[in-house]
Amino acid sequence: NAGVTQTPKFQVLKTGQSMTLQCAQDMNHNSMYWYRQDPGMGLRLIYYSASEGTTDKGEVPNGYNVSRLNKREFSLRLESAAPSQTSVYFCASSDRTELYGYTFGSGTRLTVV
Amino acid sequence: AQSVAQPEDQVNVAEGNPLTVKCTYSVSGNPYLFWYVQYPNRGLQFLLKYITGDNLVKGSYGFEAEFNKSQTSFHLKKPSALVSDSALYFCAVSPYGNNRLAFGKGNQVVVIP
Repeated sequence: NAGVTQTPKFQVLKTGQSMTLQCAQDMNHNSMYWYRQDPGMGLRLIYYSASEGTTDKGEVPNGYNVSRLNKREFSLRLESAAPSQTSVYFCASSDRTELYGYTFGSGTRLTVV
Repeated sequence: AQSVAQPEDQVNVAEGNPLTVKCTYSVSGNPYLFWYVQYPNRGLQFLLKYITGDNLVKGSYGFEAEFNKSQTSFHLKKPSALVSDSALYFCAVSPYGNNRLAFGKGNQVVVIP
């Protein structure tokens, strides 16, 4: 049982380049989330999708776009990467949070130079 | 809006001594409360949760947490710390009936041999 799978695990981009972070879950969860983790700032929500076909902004959405391709997949796109987007990105999914909490992927470490 | 405070950046404890990681929260209505642990270069893993019932909840790896409604706290505890408990610990809260979790900034726990 894979849970939440993120690709790639590591990426280095030049300023201005674009890329898409992929996330897929095999638990039939309705809700999916993208977070970024920076030292001393904990986890900050970028975007979330409460169900297939819906997406909403979180705390730090600027510079990012998302697509909920189907129930399994939720991708995060950086259209024009900036050094401030250097971070570790986590995808998570949930269904009935009160019972099971969130399930997290192993993260993507992104460096923008 | 819900929020979580983890007042200490780092907790140092000698191996074999009791470990406490503090968490206070703010939420409208009854809370769902969670603790997650993150080992280096890994995603967050679920430790335990409080939904309702007994104020003392037990979780994975010998951890427990005590819910205190009057103090709006949910401190994580372990009677005897192990070196392998060295990790980053996150407290999270959501209001009753809401799937969205708010995370604290995290506490680095260092267990000294």
